Amino acid sequence: SQTIHQWPATLVQPVGSPLSLECTVEGTSNPNLYWYRQAAGRGLQLLFYSVGIGQISSEVPQNLSASRPQDRQFILSSKKLLLSDSGFYLCAWSGLAEYEQYFGPGTRLTVT
Amino acid sequence: AQSVSQHNHHVILSEAASLELGCNYSYGGTVNLFWYVQYPGQHLQLLLKYFSGDPLVKGIKGFEAEFIKSKFSFNLRKPSVQWSDTAEYFCAVNAAGTYKYIFGTGTRLKVLA
Repeated sequence: SQTIHQWPATLVQPVGSPLSLECTVEGTSNPNLYWYRQAAGRGLQLLFYSVGIGQISSEVPQNLSASRPQDRQFILSSKKLLLSDSGFYLCAWSGLAEYEQYFGPGTRLTVT
Repeated sequence: AQSVSQHNHHVILSEAASLELGCNYSYGGTVNLFWYVQYPGQHLQLLLKYFSGDPLVKGIKGFEAEFIKSKFSFNLRKPSVQWSDTAEYFCAVNAAGTYKYIFGTGTRLKVLA
């Protein structure tokens, strides 16, 4: 069966520091991968999605970037964190022939 | 631009009460529709989905939703809620043929035992 992992589970970082959040999927090949940010009262905001290695689409211009170095690995990064980057970050995957998404456990990021 | 509205942000019900959560979207083309649920301390998970066919779809745990195309709505229903239904519920829309998903702001449901 398919499994999606995210780490770390929680992270506290100072303003101006770099960020790297990792997401990996097991049990499927060539998944579509997504990064979302979930803020209280604001639902899930799609940040990036990827349909293949090295293919990244950005939905919201911001201080973050994403990369997909391997088929089942998706990384969310920042060179310099802002206070406004605090939030709950979710990774998700979907299959090519299906449209439902499967979500990871999320990373709680607090920028201080 | 596409958007999804969930008008009920917080709902409190007693056990055995009926539930209906509203979801409206704005998009003129063909859509795929979803309801996701996040139980306390757990991952977001799919409750039910609509791609085509019968507009009344049934999901897990006795939930169902009806797609009314003319109203751009996909409301979630359950005839009799249980304490274990306490969770946050999200409606989501995918424009068919695209990779973009738009989520509503969520509805927090609390069921009193």
